Amino acid sequence: DSGVTQTPKHLITATGQRVTLRCSPRSGDLSVYWYQQSLDQGLQFLIQYYNGEERAKGNILERFSAQQFPDLHSELNLSSLELGDSALYFCASSVSGLSNQPQHFGDGTRLSIL
Amino acid sequence: QQQVKQSPQSLIVQKGGISIINCAYENTAFDYFPWYQQFPGKGPALLIAIRPDVSEKKEGRFTISFNKSAKQFSLHIMDSQPGDSATYFCAASRGSGNTPLVFGKGTRLSVIA
Repeated sequence: DSGVTQTPKHLITATGQRVTLRCSPRSGDLSVYWYQQSLDQGLQFLIQYYNGEERAKGNILERFSAQQFPDLHSELNLSSLELGDSALYFCASSVSGLSNQPQHFGDGTRLSIL
Repeated sequence: QQQVKQSPQSLIVQKGGISIINCAYENTAFDYFPWYQQFPGKGPALLIAIRPDVSEKKEGRFTISFNKSAKQFSLHIMDSQPGDSATYFCAASRGSGNTPLVFGKGTRLSVIA
């Protein structure tokens, strides 16, 4: 058990809808990362937060947004959903937010767009 | 542009054999190279990592070999076991510049008895 909790585990919705994915980091970790995993693209970094502030941004679409709250949990909001957004979304956390430190991954949210 | 190229995509190894997964990177500024292991239905978990000041790092049956001049690194799993069957991802980052991890596309390893 990594200590990172993601909810929900599965999400099924339709095109054009909006969803929110939630992540609770491991106790003591200040940084949260969001990744998208699809069969053809592997693990793609979306965005990183450290202690409530955005730290780094990857190939995150404008339709996607995220935030980290004072209690350090994070939410990833996906709007105007398209079929191509179907993927596994992972949250990871680390203590310091430095990229040369271990990241601890949750078990992901599987998003299916019908 | 894929910055970390991983091969093979899939690998079948006999129990007790050696599994070898290779990765090549392009950015010479990368200075942190971890390997993650992912079982079905689970998130990736850090397996072992290396920095470019050493050419090899071993942890139990898992060894990373690093070739800075060739910009390549590889994971060797000695005495492979069925329980090692998983997807393995290499990754790289510029730790000193705190750039995000860039992952390879993964290798699905099956260890058969």
